[in-house]
Amino acid sequence: DGGITQSPKYLFRKEGQNVTLSCEQNLNHDAMYWYRQDPGQGLRLIYYSQIVNDFQKGDIAEGYSVSREKKESFPLTVTSAQKNPTAFYLCASSIISYNQPQHFGDGTRLSIL
Amino acid sequence: QQPVQSPQAVILREGEDAVINCSSSKALYSVHWYRQKHGEAPVFLMILLKGGEQKGHEKISASFNEKKQQSSLYLTASQLSYSGTYFCGTVLSNAGNMLTFGGGTRLMVKP
Repeated sequence: DGGITQSPKYLFRKEGQNVTLSCEQNLNHDAMYWYRQDPGQGLRLIYYSQIVNDFQKGDIAEGYSVSREKKESFPLTVTSAQKNPTAFYLCASSIISYNQPQHFGDGTRLSIL
Repeated sequence: QQPVQSPQAVILREGEDAVINCSSSKALYSVHWYRQKHGEAPVFLMILLKGGEQKGHEKISASFNEKKQQSSLYLTASQLSYSGTYFCGTVLSNAGNMLTFGGGTRLMVKP
């Protein structure tokens, strides 16, 4: 079955540590996205990519970094510069068209130790 | 700019109807609707395209008023399974599908 796989489901970060969240899709989608969701809030865009080796900052990119070395993969690194990383992180992918939906992974819940 | 959703929360009895609105201050190419259960991924419901098209999905339908740049989601004869948070996402350009999400509407359906 085609879909988006995020791992791990839960992640804990120590002070000063960088952590990487994995996102893999087998839907052959060109576009991939990372969102952050705080409790009771909507989804805010961190980074997005529409083609391999290219990505753009979203609304809240500070303290995060991404790479897009393969079409299927779009890992997100939460760096030590992100002082408030506790949130639910969602990865999505889509065909690049305004009439196509985004498909979401099951999310990673990140907490500070 | 983030679209504005209203109401922020609504409580229904099973079988009652509800309307959720999503308003933008900018011209839209499309509006996407999603439902999210607590702790889960958002699930796609439907897309409304520029042109005022109305779509339906079981007892959930939606419309897009291009003049007002507003979309409304209609939940008819609500079921317990409709509980969750509903988000609209707006697309400003025909060049892609960058979504800007609203703050969400929390819907609770009680027996």
